[in-house]
Amino acid sequence: GAGVSQSPSNKVTEKGKDVELRCDPISGHTALYWYRQSLGQGLEFLIYFQGNSAPDKSGLPSDRFSAERTGGSVSTLTIQRTQQEDSAVYLCASSPRGGGPQAAGELFFGEGSRLTVL
Amino acid sequence: AQKVTQAQTEISVVEKEDVTLDCVYETRDTTYYLFWYKQPPSGELVFLIRRNSFDEQNEISGRYSWNFQKSTSSFNFTITASQVVDSAVYFCALSNRGGTASKLTFGTGTRLQVTL
Repeated sequence: GAGVSQSPSNKVTEKGKDVELRCDPISGHTALYWYRQSLGQGLEFLIYFQGNSAPDKSGLPSDRFSAERTGGSVSTLTIQRTQQEDSAVYLCASSPRGGGPQAAGELFFGEGSRLTVL
Repeated sequence: AQKVTQAQTEISVVEKEDVTLDCVYETRDTTYYLFWYKQPPSGELVFLIRRNSFDEQNEISGRYSWNFQKSTSSFNFTITASQVVDSAVYFCALSNRGGTASKLTFGTGTRLQVTL
């Protein structure tokens, strides 16, 4: 497709289980971002990938969260030993360029993966 | 630290009314960028506008207009003659120039409901 694709769109899991969320960015976009949107909250930055550079992981809330991006394209966000407070919509976005003022902020978002931890 | 405040949690208007969504920001950076994104019921955020801190000119795009005032640290968004299709959650966001320029700080959003 032409847009950012995320899967699954909905995931219900039990507390303590691991989950993986996948993001397919727009082809050719070098920058990829993960955000989390909790009920009644704004979007919380989690992690940012730009090309082959080391990712900016400064937003990951705990060491249970990790993400990787293979081949500069598809990314997987993994949450280990899920907790109820992890319930949220996880949004992925991509951008044709990363960093620098000219690229600032024009992100293309997917529809998100809604995670519910019981 | 950066912060974006959208004090209006939810606004309801009748179609054709004008509506203004407020956004107040905090940053210590002298160079920064402000944005508005729209999140329709489908969930996919859509970029609407970006302004840099050096450009305080107001901008108009069709029924949309933005008022940027550095003196009050505000970047308000007005929809003129609102339509039902404008119903969505609107997010204001802020980014600094240093580091990851696209690491946006978002407000909590304003849900706009436009009814017939």
